[in-house]
Amino acid sequence: DIQMTQSPSSLSASVGDRVTITCRASQSISSYLNWYQQKPGKAPKLLIYAASSLQSGVPSRFSGSGSGTDFTLTISSLQPEDFATYYCQQSYSTITFGQGTRLEIK
Amino acid sequence: QLQLQESGPGLVKPSETLSLTCTVSGGSISSSSYYWGWIRQPPGKGLEWIGSIYYSGSTYYNPSLKSRVTISVDTSKNQFSLKLSSVTAADTAVYYCASSTSSEYFQHWGQGTLVTVSS
Repeated sequence: DIQMTQSPSSLSASVGDRVTITCRASQSISSYLNWYQQKPGKAPKLLIYAASSLQSGVPSRFSGSGSGTDFTLTISSLQPEDFATYYCQQSYSTITFGQGTRLEIK
Repeated sequence: QLQLQESGPGLVKPSETLSLTCTVSGGSISSSSYYWGWIRQPPGKGLEWIGSIYYSGSTYYNPSLKSRVTISVDTSKNQFSLKLSSVTAADTAVYYCASSTSSEYFQHWGQGTLVTVSS
């Protein structure tokens, strides 16, 4: 299986901050990388697919980049509703998720 | 807008079979546009893909669970189902059903259902 490693595992930030979360694959996955946001007690929500495509309805402050093994999710200006856990997911081979990055209010 | 809803027992005994159903509304499960999947999340932990099915019946399972998993589709009821056999406490989790494209990113999710394995 392809292992997905996210960093950091947790992050404290303030409203208005620019935040970057990294996801690294154990082997090349081209652009088969997706990002989700999950709030407590809720199902994950798709934010970014194919590494950099913004899902319909998702605010433009979210962006994704990368290819091969290294990927990033950037939130350009944190809003109160963005404090959540974020997961990357690869769909190059047997689907696997990263361990998650918890974004907390500083 | 697709909507998905999981249903099934919230408590299963060890060694028994976990059975869940996902009812799809707002679209046809026979659509060639979608795959239908199950993902689980143990309490306080991350996400694990269990498997997916196409309306034709083609299935794709996580190798780590393959020997215990069966996913099936009932087009007449617009539902798909999960069976996980020989469960243990390690199978305690919130189970989500979701729809994906052929590129296997999950666009629509059910709300999730907690299944506890305990005697």
